[in-house]
Amino acid sequence: EAQVTQNPRYLITVTGKKLTVTCSQNMNHEYMSWYRQDPGLGLRQIYYSMNVEVTDKGDVPEGYKVSRKEKRNFPLILESPSPNQTSLYFCASSKTGEGYTFGSGTRLTVV
Amino acid sequence: GESVGLHLPTLSVQEGDNSIINCAYSNSASDYFIWYKQESGKGPQFIIDIRSNMDKRQGQRVTVLLNKTVKHLSLQIAATQPGDSAVYFCAENPHGSGNTGKLIFGQGTTLQVKP
Repeated sequence: EAQVTQNPRYLITVTGKKLTVTCSQNMNHEYMSWYRQDPGLGLRQIYYSMNVEVTDKGDVPEGYKVSRKEKRNFPLILESPSPNQTSLYFCASSKTGEGYTFGSGTRLTVV
Repeated sequence: GESVGLHLPTLSVQEGDNSIINCAYSNSASDYFIWYKQESGKGPQFIIDIRSNMDKRQGQRVTVLLNKTVKHLSLQIAATQPGDSAVYFCAENPHGSGNTGKLIFGQGTTLQVKP
């Protein structure tokens, strides 16, 4: 089944403890992206990648890192999470020139 | 700056009626637009897209209209069903067709379908 898989679905962590949210897609898509969704603020793009080793900032990249070493994977790294990064995170992928297909989301709580 | 906005946060319609969800965008360079549906507890789901060289595109029970003159986008849902209840987002690609990675979302409209 064609899909975007992100893990974990739920995560509770403490301030400052590095964490990684994984994302993989099995559709051979060139583009991948991370969004966060917050009440009243909608979906905001964190980073996106056009292909292996090519990434660019979205609208809210501060406090996040990404890497694209393989075409299928696009992990989101929080080096030192803070409570304001508590959010619902979505990974997405797309073919060039098409819209994103989204994963099921990761609900992150930073205490 | 760039923004994609929706006119109404909530739209309530009777089952069987047609629904129209509106969206305004501000970036004249945008040439690709998408409507997404998000049900509770799920990720956004692609509904339909349209490029700036078109002013109308139809799918199954859905139609997207694009008015570039006033920078307005709308989603029409025919014969609205209870399963259409969700939050609907418009999204805009501000970079043009050469780079579709950046996609800016509007705030969303909640569609409530009354039985």
